[in-house]
Amino acid sequence: QQQVKQSPQSLIVQKGGISIINCAYENTAFDYFPWYQQFPGKGPALLIAIRPDVSEKKEGRFTISFNKSAKQFSLHIMDSQPGDSATYFCAASKARDDKIIFGKGTRLHILP
Amino acid sequence: DTAVSQTPKYLVTQMGNDKSIKCEQNLGHDTMYWYKQDSKKFLKIMFSYNNKELIINETVPNRFSPKSPDKAHLNLHINSLELGDSAVYFCASSRRAAQGRETQYFGPGTRLLVL
Repeated sequence: QQQVKQSPQSLIVQKGGISIINCAYENTAFDYFPWYQQFPGKGPALLIAIRPDVSEKKEGRFTISFNKSAKQFSLHIMDSQPGDSATYFCAASKARDDKIIFGKGTRLHILP
Repeated sequence: DTAVSQTPKYLVTQMGNDKSIKCEQNLGHDTMYWYKQDSKKFLKIMFSYNNKELIINETVPNRFSPKSPDKAHLNLHINSLELGDSAVYFCASSRRAAQGRETQYFGPGTRLLVL
């Protein structure tokens, strides 16, 4: 039973384009939704996170859109750059919980 | 000044051997984790310790045994290694705050290959 479903599995985007990765969750008790970025040979690192009291959060070229009623959230990368090529994981957790549930990851490749 | 460090970085061993991976964090966090990442990049939590107490123990074979000598260290010992144990193992740490769990910081990973 997969609590956080992520799509697509892989994504190829031209430099300067918009990269969009989607996630859906099942547990309405989740109240923290981070996105992690992982470069080859490295550990995942927090990129941006959102709580369900807002519908959008933007940090530079990275934006999370959150739809509480649909139980969906997405990551948008504007003006995608070759340096953004990495694996991206969406995740969800409950505030008082020590466990983060990760999606299966999206391998993003930005063409130069 | 590495935040979360793991040793060794690479581990190649024969099936049936026993091996250990060490993890240390200097962030002052109270919770540490072990994750397994398979060849398809799927991240799966294995264990979590809070203040040296085991709080998460997912469905992991009992050949895997974590040990936390103090809040800053969490080691993973694996007995009777099997081919399917080949993966990248990540250590992570975080801190409980009043508003809930804070960001998890991951180590660089230990690449285990069982021959």
